[in-house]
Formats: sequence, C-alpha cells, structure tokens
Amino acid sequence: EAQVTQNPRYLITVTGKKLTVTCSQNMNHEYMSWYRQDPGLGLRQIYYSMNVEVTDKGDVPEGYKVSRKEKRNFPLILESPSPNQTSLYFCASSLLASGGEKLFFGSGTQLSVL
Amino acid sequence: SQQGEEDPQALSIQEGENATMNCSYKTSINNLQWYRQNSGRGLVHLILIRSNEREKHSGRLRVTLDTSKKSSSLLITASRAADTASYFCAPSMKTSYDKVIFGPGTSLSVIP
Repeated sequence: EAQVTQNPRYLITVTGKKLTVTCSQNMNHEYMSWYRQDPGLGLRQIYYSMNVEVTDKGDVPEGYKVSRKEKRNFPLILESPSPNQTSLYFCASSLLASGGEKLFFGSGTQLSVL
Repeated sequence: SQQGEEDPQALSIQEGENATMNCSYKTSINNLQWYRQNSGRGLVHLILIRSNEREKHSGRLRVTLDTSKKSSSLLITASRAADTASYFCAPSMKTSYDKVIFGPGTSLSVIP
C-alpha cells in the first residue's frame, strides 16, 4: 500500500532533550516536506527536500534540522526542543521535485515539549 | 503571510444540504488543491484544479477557480455526517518551484 509513515504518533519530552521524528515513503517520491500545524495557523512548512541530499528551509525552520540521505526517508530532528515547538507535525511527499502536485500525508506526530 | 485564506472559518449544516467553502489567494498560481482533514489526522487530497481550468468535479465535489478574482470554491453536495472535517485550500505559487501554501481551513460540521 502506498503510504507515508511517521513515527512516533505521540511524543512527550522535556526541554532540551534531542529527538527525531521519522518519516518514510514507499512511493519513490522525489519531493518530501515537513509541516507543523497549530490552531488557527493552518499548516506551516518547516523544511522540504527535492531529492537526495537536497534540502531547503521552509517558512519556520528555526530549531529544526532535516536530512535526506535516502530517497525514502526524511527525518525531522529537534536538537534542543523548546515548549514553543509543541505542535502537530506532518510529513508529506509528492512525486515530482518541482512540487505543486498532489501531496500524500503521514498520520501526524503530536509533540509535547514540557 | 498565508497564500490561501478559506471562508467561512466554520460552517454547520444539516445532513443532505450542500456546503460551500471559499478560498482567496494573493499571487499567480499554477494550480490549486483542496484537502480534507479529519480530526487530528493527516490531510487527504481531494481535488486539484489547474490555472487554465475553470471547474472540476469529483463525485459529490465541485471545485471552481476564478483566476481573475484569485478565488476558488469547493461545493460538497448532499452532505453526509462523514463529511464532517476541516477543509483546506492549497494554492501552488509560481516560484522557483511550485510551493504549496495552506490556509487555516474551514471547519465543517454536518449534523445528522
């Protein structure tokens, strides 16, 4: 089944403790992206990647890192999480590197930073 | 600033009625997409309409696009309780690549 898999679904951590949220897609998509969703703000893009080893900042990249060593995986890393990073996070992918096409979303990761 | 803005923010209708949601955007686009999100879950793609199209249908969904007014609408006909969800428009901006921007969404409640 074609899908985007995010883990974990829920994560509670404390300020400053490094964490990684994993994202994997099995559709050989070129484009992958991370979003955070906060009430009243919609989805805001954190980072995106057009292909292996090609990543770029979205609208709210501060406090986050990403890597794209393999085409299928695009982990989101929070080196030193802070409470303002408490949010619902989504990974998404689409077929073409040019973007602007149908996005496939993961189920989301609800992160709470205490 | 957000590229897509949905209107209304919230909508409550009776089952069987039609639901209309509107979206406005600010700059030139290549296409515009609509997504649905059930409470706290991942977004699901509904329909994509390209800038040279004016109307598109998919089942009970009808999407229109007016590039001169920089607006789009999503019509759900004969709504069902299962249509209760948030709906997002996502214009694809003409930049170095087609960046998709999401608005804050319309929360639709369909009352049985």
